[in-house]
Amino acid sequence: DAEITQSPRHKITETGRQVTLACHQTWNHNNMFWYRQDLGHGLRLIHYSYGVQDTNKGEVSDGYSVSRSNTEDLPLTLESAASSQTSVYFCASSETAGSNTDTQYFGPGTRLTVL
Amino acid sequence: GQNIDQPTEMTATEGAIVQINCTYQTSGFNGLFWYQQHAGEAPTFLSYNVLDGLEEKGRFSSFLSRSKGYSYLLLKELQMKDSASYLCAFSSGYSTLTFGKGTMLLVSP
Repeated sequence: DAEITQSPRHKITETGRQVTLACHQTWNHNNMFWYRQDLGHGLRLIHYSYGVQDTNKGEVSDGYSVSRSNTEDLPLTLESAASSQTSVYFCASSETAGSNTDTQYFGPGTRLTVL
Repeated sequence: GQNIDQPTEMTATEGAIVQINCTYQTSGFNGLFWYQQHAGEAPTFLSYNVLDGLEEKGRFSSFLSRSKGYSYLLLKELQMKDSASYLCAFSSGYSTLTFGKGTMLLVSP
């Protein structure tokens, strides 16, 4: 069955370290998204991609970067982790734009703690 | 600008009906989504409305009024497993979604 996976599921790191969160989907979807979810803020878009070699900044992109070298993967990198980046991170994917193909399917999430 | 609002918390009794409202403001609008999210889990897709009116899917129904910037999710015959957060989100083009902060629904026996 097609799916979307994230790794690691839990990560503890120290302030200033570089951290990469992995996202892999086998839906063959063109669109991929990274969100963070914090109490009182809901889901906020960090970065997204419409296809290979395409990346775009979302609402809260400062301190994060992504790269898209193939259809299946969109890794999220925290260049220098800060305590404010402690959060739950969700990856999602969807087909190309238009009607209900905007429906996004979410991975299980990564809980990141920055000490 | 863009804005989306839904109540923070709601409580209801098992077997009852509950309506979760969502209002939004956006210059471009493609459609309105509802997702369910149990504690510690990922959001899962419930419904999508692009035209005005009611879409029924089993115990869950979703309504949209584009002119009023208003949607609701109706849950019938509530079960304990319906205790979860319900997220409203709109699509305004280019496949990105803007999410509300979610409504935490607590179903009691």
